[in-house]
Amino acid sequence: GENVEQHPSTLSVQEGDSAVIKCTYSDSASNYFPWYKQELGKRPQLIIDIRSNVGEKKDQRIAVTLNKTAKHFSLHITETQPEDSAVYFCAASSGVVTGGGNKLTFGTGTQLKVEL
Amino acid sequence: KAGVTQTPRYLIKTRGQQVTLSCSPISGHRSVSWYQQTPGQGLQFLFEYFSETQRNKGNFPGRFSGRQFSNSRSEMNVSTLELGDSALYLCASSFTHGAETQYFGPGTRLLVL
Repeated sequence: GENVEQHPSTLSVQEGDSAVIKCTYSDSASNYFPWYKQELGKRPQLIIDIRSNVGEKKDQRIAVTLNKTAKHFSLHITETQPEDSAVYFCAASSGVVTGGGNKLTFGTGTQLKVEL
Repeated sequence: KAGVTQTPRYLIKTRGQQVTLSCSPISGHRSVSWYQQTPGQGLQFLFEYFSETQRNKGNFPGRFSGRQFSNSRSEMNVSTLELGDSALYLCASSFTHGAETQYFGPGTRLLVL
């Protein structure tokens, strides 16, 4: 089955700096890659997602890049703010073609801390 | 639109008991997926229901089961509870079945004593 690895497990940056979180996946059939932000005691919230027919997607300070050949995708947060502090999860899904449906396989999470 | 809701939010059970958790998806969404979140294992997929049918199942024992009703609301049941079942159980809804954007509910925190 699919396996998603996520690095780093913790990341500390200064306010205003950029943060990059990287994930690799094993199943070449995966075609949907969402990123979720989870604050302490709250639900995971979708912050951005990308499909395999696109190499990059940007939404204000957040961007995601996908390299299908290398089977890795990354989250980039620019001009970080204290409210960006949270745990970030990457995930992968292969859809109905391979029987995956909506099943998401998650990475192990990155604790991002933005320091003043 | 109202978001995904889950009830109850907190539960305390003892080993051997069984528990039923409920999830109401976003209006118009027909797929509900369930995940278990623990500090040790992270977020793990339990199963997905679409049009009242289980479409996919994760690697969990048969003690974990679920169902979906005609209004797309879903329940999951855990029988013969074990200490290791203590976790946050999250459901996520999506419009349809197949690598769709999923929106999570607030979760049910289950503690097994």
